[in-house]
Amino acid sequence: EPEVTQTPSHQVTQMGQEVILRCVPISNHLYFYWYRQILGQKVEFLVSFYNNEISEKSEIFDDQFSVERPDGSNFTLKIRSTKLEDSAMYFCASSAGAHQPQHFGDGTRLSIL
Amino acid sequence: GIQVEQSPPDLILQEGANSTLRCNFSDSVNNLQWFHQNPWGQLINLFYIPSGTKQNGRLSATTVATERYSLLYISSSQTTDSGVYFCAVGRGNTPLVFGKGTRLSVIA
Repeated sequence: EPEVTQTPSHQVTQMGQEVILRCVPISNHLYFYWYRQILGQKVEFLVSFYNNEISEKSEIFDDQFSVERPDGSNFTLKIRSTKLEDSAMYFCASSAGAHQPQHFGDGTRLSIL
Repeated sequence: GIQVEQSPPDLILQEGANSTLRCNFSDSVNNLQWFHQNPWGQLINLFYIPSGTKQNGRLSATTVATERYSLLYISSSQTTDSGVYFCAVGRGNTPLVFGKGTRLSVIA
């Protein structure tokens, strides 16, 4: 069964540094999402992406965040100047369309020191 | 926005016992998914069930969309069933809204 793949599985970064989280969605999917989960809390939506542009974003997704689909396969989340509170598990998800499930990757655990 | 409430928040079971987890949501949805988060943090998709009933081995789920709730049944629980179970809902391609989860501990 096709999978959403995320790299790296774990990233440790100094506060203030830039970090890029990478995702390869399922190949025929059209809708892409980033979510995050702070340790011990629920999963929260960050941003959705369709037709090469952001379709929706949450209050969490401020100017330090950006997303890109640089080629036909990768979908990236960039955090420009990381803060301690950005430490979380970040999940990428993709969907084939309306009335279809979202498929989640295994996540990237981001630790900011 | 849509509110999602899961109950109970915590559940401890003896191996072999059965359990029912509940998810209530505040508005009409046409996407509902149940996930199991394992100790490594991975979200394992259990069911895509916007309505009706589905079964997969020892797990089954029922969603009554008109009454805005879904139930996840775990029968003959095993220690490997331990973890957090999340319900998430949405409409069309909108982002999923997750509940706070039910933390299940199955003891031998």
